[in-house]
Amino acid sequence: DTAVSQTPKYLVTQMGNDKSIKCEQNLGHDTMYWYKQDSKKFLKIMFSYNNKELIINETVPNRFSPKSPDKAHLNLHINSLELGDSAVYFCASSQGKGAGTFGSGTRLTVV
Amino acid sequence: SQQGEEDPQALSIQEGENATMNCSYKTSINNLQWYRQNSGRGLVHLILIRSNEREKHSGRLRVTLDTSKKSSSLLITASRAADTASYFCATDSGTSGSRLTFGEGTQLTVNP
Repeated sequence: DTAVSQTPKYLVTQMGNDKSIKCEQNLGHDTMYWYKQDSKKFLKIMFSYNNKELIINETVPNRFSPKSPDKAHLNLHINSLELGDSAVYFCASSQGKGAGTFGSGTRLTVV
Repeated sequence: SQQGEEDPQALSIQEGENATMNCSYKTSINNLQWYRQNSGRGLVHLILIRSNEREKHSGRLRVTLDTSKKSSSLLITASRAADTASYFCATDSGTSGSRLTFGEGTQLTVNP
């Protein structure tokens, strides 16, 4: 069973569209995250939720909106997609300050 | 701002040799973690070392942490071609849950 699963794996879309990426973890972890990896492989945290509560909200355009319906799910909705949003987005989870378990990533390409 | 900086950026060695990667950071941390990323894949957690620990081992991996110098190193002994990947250090300075700040990564190539 996949511990942290995110869908879709690939997403190609046009500028201006709205898209969502879904993430689910079956580890029972209390905290979930979204990270963005750019073309130079630099990873940066975007959001973190602890038991459905937003605890980290980095300087991210408000076109990005995370939603956590329960502690096992953290989805990322992106409005009005721009070329610069093209990146790989990773969902992750952890139990408190323990090791992070990452999903396999969603490669978003905005054309 | 970026917390971790790694060197070297790229490392190419022969199978059987040891590989050492270094990571430096700027602020106080709760723990430091090392991750591996194979090309086009997700990150795999390797080792977590807490701020009050100095050294940790896991199989062929050895991690050291020097909080006075704000640096860490990852040693992979007896490397294999399958170790070829990017290796990232990440520091956790969060107060609730983890707040990982990643370094730029070291691209390790192990030649058969």
